[in-house]
Amino acid sequence: AQSVTQPDIHITVSEGASLELRCNYSYGATPYLFWYVQSPGQGLQLLLKYFSGDTLVQGIKGFEAEFKRSQSSFNLRKPSVHWSDAAEYFCAVRSGGSYIPTFGRGTSLIVHP
Amino acid sequence: EPEVTQTPSHQVTQMGQEVILRCVPISNHLYFYWYRQILGQKVEFLVSFYNNEISEKSEIFDDQFSVERPDGSNFTLKIRSTKLEDSAMYFCASSGQGALSEQYFGPGTRLTVT
Repeated sequence: AQSVTQPDIHITVSEGASLELRCNYSYGATPYLFWYVQSPGQGLQLLLKYFSGDTLVQGIKGFEAEFKRSQSSFNLRKPSVHWSDAAEYFCAVRSGGSYIPTFGRGTSLIVHP
Repeated sequence: EPEVTQTPSHQVTQMGQEVILRCVPISNHLYFYWYRQILGQKVEFLVSFYNNEISEKSEIFDDQFSVERPDGSNFTLKIRSTKLEDSAMYFCASSGQGALSEQYFGPGTRLTVT
């Protein structure tokens, strides 16, 4: 069975600082990987996804993520965080044969001015 | 930009009561989903719906739950007799067709069972 681990429950950064949110997955074959963001009162918005090809994927809002098969990781990065990035971030994995993603527990990002 | 909407945003109900959570998916989407997130826990899949029938469901989706697409636009989740442990945020999502199709999520309904 596939699973996702987001080891950090909360991350606090200063505005303008760089950000990396960690995600590790467990899945036998090449997974489909996603990062979602949830702002207060909003639904889950897709930031980026990896299906195949270039292991460094660019997403919306200046985010990027890198798929590292050897480490079973798909960490999310942003070079300079804005106060509006404060939100809950979810990593998810899906197999090729299913429409259903398995989500991680989420990481809450707090941005200090 | 089209979006998935859900009503109500917050529902409070007493244990044993029936609740219906409503969703309006994106109009040209073909697949519909319900997920739930108990406070502090992971987002969990409940059920997927395609072509007017359930295509996949999790072990959480027992006989107390049902889904319906009553009128071609709404997609509902019914809980027949709510329990305290049903308290959670319930998310609706919809997607087009194909393995690479993105799921679009609604803002969620927070269900509180007292």
